[in-house]
Amino acid sequence: DAKTTQPTSMDCAEGRAANLPCNHSTISGNEYVYWYRQIHSQGPQYIIHGLKNNETNEMASLIITEDRKSSTLILPHATLRDTAVYYCILAYNTDKLIFGTGTRLQVFP
Amino acid sequence: NAGVTQTPKFRVLKTGQSMTLLCAQDMNHEYMYWYRQDPGMGLRLIHYSVGEGTTAKGEVPDGYNVSRLKKQNFLLGLESAAPSQTSVYFCASSTQSTGTSLYNEQFFGPGTRLTVL
Repeated sequence: DAKTTQPTSMDCAEGRAANLPCNHSTISGNEYVYWYRQIHSQGPQYIIHGLKNNETNEMASLIITEDRKSSTLILPHATLRDTAVYYCILAYNTDKLIFGTGTRLQVFP
Repeated sequence: NAGVTQTPKFRVLKTGQSMTLLCAQDMNHEYMYWYRQDPGMGLRLIHYSVGEGTTAKGEVPDGYNVSRLKKQNFLLGLESAAPSQTSVYFCASSTQSTGTSLYNEQFFGPGTRLTVL
């Protein structure tokens, strides 16, 4: 079973920041937090990952709480193309990704 | 680069028939994976391979076999298809993990929609 808890769905206005939460209260010390998204039944796409520190790349920012029991993915300026299912995943390494049901983000005009 | 490609894109089988799904990647990746995704669900790992000639079971391996004879190809076989295997199948690949301090993203193919009647 997935070890993360995410809201089933969220809405966001275009141009606003989308903040997607993820709870992972049983995270182990060497487990990373990964985020992927899946746009309309396409193959999933990697977004970002982190261990302890906050991370930022060209797509998003990842904020991890100090106790590492929760995190937030931030899309700073959501567009209609960001409408997708977002998966928060815990894993030690590349070959053990377990996808839950994710959060369906709907960006509206 | 084409990235990860999957053949075929769609297929309809009758119960008991067999078929092979082909995944190819041109990124010289060591690791390759097969997932299935049922409606409204997340992806579940069927089998994976950490290198040419090696394979390992994932979360839901029953009813499937795999082979990795060439580094760039990963085959998923269904010997006797069942309606429960109706799903969308995704292949992915990644570079070799070199420790917990380095993460290598998985690159996914477009998927194969399989219906078993």
